[in-house]
Amino acid sequence: KQEVTQIPAALSVPEGENLVLNCSFTDSAIYNLQWFRQDPGKGLTSLLLIQSSQREQTSGRLNASLDKSSGRSTLYIAASQPGDSATYLCAVWRTGGFKTIFGAGTRLFVKA
Amino acid sequence: DAMVIQNPRYQVTQFGKPVTLSCSQTLNHNVMYWYQQKSSQAPKLLFHYYDKDFNNEADTPDNFQSRRPNTSFCFLDIRSPGLGDAAMYLCATSSPGDGYNEQFFGPGTRLTVL
Repeated sequence: KQEVTQIPAALSVPEGENLVLNCSFTDSAIYNLQWFRQDPGKGLTSLLLIQSSQREQTSGRLNASLDKSSGRSTLYIAASQPGDSATYLCAVWRTGGFKTIFGAGTRLFVKA
Repeated sequence: DAMVIQNPRYQVTQFGKPVTLSCSQTLNHNVMYWYQQKSSQAPKLLFHYYDKDFNNEADTPDNFQSRRPNTSFCFLDIRSPGLGDAAMYLCATSSPGDGYNEQFFGPGTRLTVL
């Protein structure tokens, strides 16, 4: 059974700091991994998607990496800003079906 | 802009009174999903449609049903809402044929059960 864990559950950093959010999964038979951002009371916004054959994806100040063999993904945020404050969730889509398993998220607060 | 739309954004119902949540998409995606998300928890997949094929998750209560009358619309029916069904309901779409199956989410419907 696939389980997705995100550590830490919450993180508070000063503005301008570079930071790393972690996502681990127990079953390496995944099709892709997707990182999302969720603002309070809102839906999920897709940030980056990494296919199982890829090692990393970049978008602006965000960089996501994937190591299937160790069951880990990281989301790197460069030069954090107060507007980055949100909950960040990772989700894995296993091969052979449409079930997507989400982590519980990391709640990020960037202090001005 | 292509998007996923959910209505209403907020829904209040009474214990046991049926309620229907709506999702529509302009992305023309084959797959539509319904997730339940309780406070500070991970979204939990309830079911999905691949075109007209309905796929229910094994642990989704019978109280939850879904309809997809056409490619653009999908509905979530809760037949007899209980207090434990109060949550955010998220609709998402994806297109496996593009090789990525990236999921796109709507803004969600916050359901309150009194």
